Amino acid sequence: EVQLVESGGGLVKPGGSLRLSCAASGFTFVSYNMNWVRQAPGKGLEWLSSISGSGSYIYYADSVKGRFTLSRDNAKDSLYLQMNSLRAEDTAVYYCARGENYFDYWGQGTLVTVSS
Amino acid sequence: AIQMTQSPSSLSASVGDRVTITCRTSQGITNDLGWYQQRPGKAPELLIYAASSLESGVPSRFSGSGSGTDFALTISRLQPEDSATYFCLQHYNYPRTFGQGTKVEI
Repeated sequence: EVQLVESGGGLVKPGGSLRLSCAASGFTFVSYNMNWVRQAPGKGLEWLSSISGSGSYIYYADSVKGRFTLSRDNAKDSLYLQMNSLRAEDTAVYYCARGENYFDYWGQGTLVTVSS
Repeated sequence: AIQMTQSPSSLSASVGDRVTITCRTSQGITNDLGWYQQRPGKAPELLIYAASSLESGVPSRFSGSGSGTDFALTISRLQPEDSATYFCLQHYNYPRTFGQGTKVEI
């Protein structure tokens, strides 16, 4: 059974940093592109970043470019999102999702709240 | 970035009704579009890929159509469990972009 489990969310002050993790199981992790998508309270979905299976190709949304860094550890079947210089508008539920084009499996999400 | 215009933003319908949600893109994306359902408090789930292909396990009352710039998601006979928000997502290029969402109320 494919499972994606996010962790690392929480309350952080503006300007602070947080590192999200996504633990994958039930599939050959290295064979799949992975993604982060977020959803601000009461809002729609926003794609943030994607990484190829090897980690060689990484893409970012303009809203997070230069502040967020996506990485993966295929030996640990894990995906990471390092978030720096956090702003109030980064407050959202953060989901990891599997797939290059279609996001066929999603985690349950982890809440990040940026507030003083 | 490709702009997505999804409509309507919300709709109310009855059990058994046929409903259609549309998604228009700012440039042609061939059939590089998927549709997702998100129930309250849950993660999104993939319904349709390649604009018109039904994801495994998704009820056949869901269907997708379109190519180029105009796409549609149709629910042929609305069921109570279809109460959710629906999103389109283009994967023609980066950045990936979602439609604004359509909230379907029964």
